[in-house]
Amino acid sequence: NAGVTQTPKFRVLKTGQSMTLLCAQDMNHEYMYWYRQDPGMGLRLIHYSVGEGTTAKGEVPDGYNVSRLKKQNFLLGLESAAPSQTSVYFCASSPDRGAYEQYFGPGTRLTVT
Amino acid sequence: KNQVEQSPQSLIILEGKNCTLQCNYTVSPFSNLRWYKQDTGRGPVSLTIMTFSENTKSNGRYTATLDADTKQSSLHITASQLSDSASYICVVSRNTGGFKTIFGAGTRLFVKA
Repeated sequence: NAGVTQTPKFRVLKTGQSMTLLCAQDMNHEYMYWYRQDPGMGLRLIHYSVGEGTTAKGEVPDGYNVSRLKKQNFLLGLESAAPSQTSVYFCASSPDRGAYEQYFGPGTRLTVT
Repeated sequence: KNQVEQSPQSLIILEGKNCTLQCNYTVSPFSNLRWYKQDTGRGPVSLTIMTFSENTKSNGRYTATLDADTKQSSLHITASQLSDSASYICVVSRNTGGFKTIFGAGTRLFVKA
């Protein structure tokens, strides 16, 4: 039982390049989330999904797209990377939205130059 | 405005000492409050969760308290260990029809030998 895994762990992009971050969970959770974490700030929700085939915008969705084609996977895409997207990205999952704990992946450190 | 503020920003204590971290929130309507521990380079891991009716919750050497009237929570760490060195994040969820979870910026704790 690996929990929540993320690939890659590190990535450096040039401005304008695109990439996809992959999140996978093996806990059969319905809900999945993408956050970004910047120094001195709390985690901010980018997009989330309440089930296979569904996605919704979070607090800071601009410049990102997501897809949830399979229940266990949640992909985060950057179509045209900008330096402002330099951050650490965390994926999380939970059984439901309410009081349930969110289980986080190890994070992806992205640098855009 | 829904906000979660933590204090202090950082804290240095000697191994074996106790410490208390603070969390003040203005999130409404309140659903639950969680404390997470985040080791360097890792994703956050849940320590405790409290709903409106709970005013204390323990997890080993970690004890969280909640005063829903004053909208304050604290995390008390007893007999600190070097492994307690981490960021501690307070997270408050709103009780709304949509998804809304607000993360504090965290308190960085350093435990020295």
